[in-house]
Amino acid sequence: DTAVSQTPKYLVTQMGNDKSIKCEQNLGHDTMYWYKQDSKKFLKIMFSYNNKELIINETVPNRFSPKSPDKAHLNLHINSLELGDSAVYFCASSQKSGTRKRDTQYFGPGTRLTVL
Amino acid sequence: KNQVEQSPQSLIILEGKNCTLQCNYTVSPFSNLRWYKQDTGRGPVSLTIMTFSENTKSNGRYTATLDADTKQSSLHITASQLSDSASYICVVSDRGSTLGRLYFGRGTQLTVWP
Repeated sequence: DTAVSQTPKYLVTQMGNDKSIKCEQNLGHDTMYWYKQDSKKFLKIMFSYNNKELIINETVPNRFSPKSPDKAHLNLHINSLELGDSAVYFCASSQKSGTRKRDTQYFGPGTRLTVL
Repeated sequence: KNQVEQSPQSLIILEGKNCTLQCNYTVSPFSNLRWYKQDTGRGPVSLTIMTFSENTKSNGRYTATLDADTKQSSLHITASQLSDSASYICVVSDRGSTLGRLYFGRGTQLTVWP
């Protein structure tokens, strides 16, 4: 009965590689998000998708490309990984846009990415 | 510049004691303020959401207050338990666009000792 799930939970890879993180939500929500949490625990939004359309794209290198095959999935593909990409990446979802009124965001368990 | 500042950065209390976490923000125009709890190694979980017109909101032993005039919020935890040990994150959203934007504080790391 997992609400928001992410795979893999841990990802260790070499600099320069390309990797993907998958996210799925079974809550029937319209909006999904990707966040990056750095070593100092600071959460920063990267992308937001509403009904498979990109609605927020913060200042993120274009090596990061989100892909939403349907509204229950939002995957994050990262090209040419760099040391600074090491962080925990959280996926989240909300009924509508999570920034308005009382739309609660439900977070996944996170994917810890380590770039060597 | 829209910012969210939380204090203290970290806090240690004994089990059974109360504590209060602070959140000051400069986000404008204001839409709502949320408090999240994040256990180590887990994703954040929503505790409360408050809009402009709400001064206080409770969720069990957690009580959040909001003063939209002074742009301050607090999260009060009553009769703390060991399971309250976590990072507490304040998040403010604006009404600058149709969808708004989220501004995150850096969190307060709470440790409850037995």
